[in-house]
Amino acid sequence: TQLLEQSPQFLSIQEGENLTVYCNSSSVFSSLQWYRQEPGEGPVLLVTVVTGGEVKKLKRLTFQFGDARKDSSLHITAAQPGDTGLYLCAGERGNEKLTFGTGTRLTIIP
Amino acid sequence: NAGVMQNPRHLVRRRGQEARLRCSPMKGHSHVYWYRQLPEEGLKFMVYLQKENIIDESGMPKERFSAEFPKEGPSILRIQQVVRGDSAAYFCASSQGGQNTEAFFGQGTRLTVV
Repeated sequence: TQLLEQSPQFLSIQEGENLTVYCNSSSVFSSLQWYRQEPGEGPVLLVTVVTGGEVKKLKRLTFQFGDARKDSSLHITAAQPGDTGLYLCAGERGNEKLTFGTGTRLTIIP
Repeated sequence: NAGVMQNPRHLVRRRGQEARLRCSPMKGHSHVYWYRQLPEEGLKFMVYLQKENIIDESGMPKERFSAEFPKEGPSILRIQQVVRGDSAAYFCASSQGGQNTEAFFGQGTRLTVV
């Protein structure tokens, strides 16, 4: 069984549109991180959320941690082709081991 | 301030040979994680090490795979008698440790078994 489920698995939208991707679990996490991975490269850390209900903004990206610290969402406003990539969430349950989600592969069409 | 360094970036091995993948963590980081990624998939945890200790190897195959992080030098992921199914991208990440720690990844080693 997968500890962290991400949805949708694939998403292809036009430049300028808005989108939300989700990261869900039945387990509670002490922190949750979002990464973006481009082809041929390693994942790059975007943000870490720690407090239930926390919202963090990174330019056009808005990250939210669920109140119960079991889920998270990533919202992108006015998507750009440079946003294309694999988005991964990863949770840590206090044992210092990061468990990754299944990933959402995002394609922004110019 | 160098990031996580992995080498080689690409490695080709024939079936039955050994593969050694190296990872030098970021300066000041004493925790290392290894993950495997198959094409078009997410990352699967393999092993978590601190200096000279294996903390969690629950994701490591029981045979042929081993990992170490010596007091001096890089962390090594070793795969003996490679098979075609070992072909994948192997990523290393490092962190300072502690709760809510942030992990930073290397660029990965792409292993191809022919």
